[in-house]
Amino acid sequence: GAVVSQHPSRVICKSGTSVKIECRSLDFQATTMFWYRQFPKQSLMLMATSNEGSKATYEQGVEKDKFLINHASLTLSTLTVTSAHPEDSSFYICSASPTGGADTQYFGPGTRLTVL
Amino acid sequence: AQTVTQSQPEMSVQEAETVTLSCTYDTSESDYYLFWYKQPPSRQMILVIRQEAYKQQNATENRFSVNFQKAAKSFSLKISDSQLGDAAMYFCASIPGYALNFGKGTSLLVTP
Repeated sequence: GAVVSQHPSRVICKSGTSVKIECRSLDFQATTMFWYRQFPKQSLMLMATSNEGSKATYEQGVEKDKFLINHASLTLSTLTVTSAHPEDSSFYICSASPTGGADTQYFGPGTRLTVL
Repeated sequence: AQTVTQSQPEMSVQEAETVTLSCTYDTSESDYYLFWYKQPPSRQMILVIRQEAYKQQNATENRFSVNFQKAAKSFSLKISDSQLGDAAMYFCASIPGYALNFGKGTSLLVTP
């Protein structure tokens, strides 16, 4: 149980285009979902926290208009990278919490984004 | 803000041996959680072990155990009988408030 999927697993896009990444909790309802970014050989950095039906809470330094997060249902959250640039290339990981608390998080397999 | 420090960028252990990964943290909170996560080459984050700060007993999960020293703010992970599949990045993390705060990670190499 407690499986979280992400789609796509890899995406390559041209500079200036937008890319949407989906995060789904497959066998539980996720009150809260988290989005992380991981650069090569570095740690995970929290980008934002989203609660179903509410606006996402972004971490300091994360551009809200560039990284649009929607948590429309208890099983789906999406991250849209708008007007992508090469510096947005990274590994994006989502996690989902059935309790709403950060102490219980199940991670997705991640999405590798490459912006040309 | 809470910081998590992993002072060992890389560690190596022989198969079947024991290795300890270090982690220290800094917090002013009285109630918090501590975690060790494993990230293999697939990059899937896997929870290895979890410790609630109010519990004095060290958490154990099969071959994985922690040495939680609350006063020293230390949370080390011991891997016994190391296996080739244990090779991965290991991240120590804490929750002082609402989100996971990760250390920089320790890359563990397991040699036959």
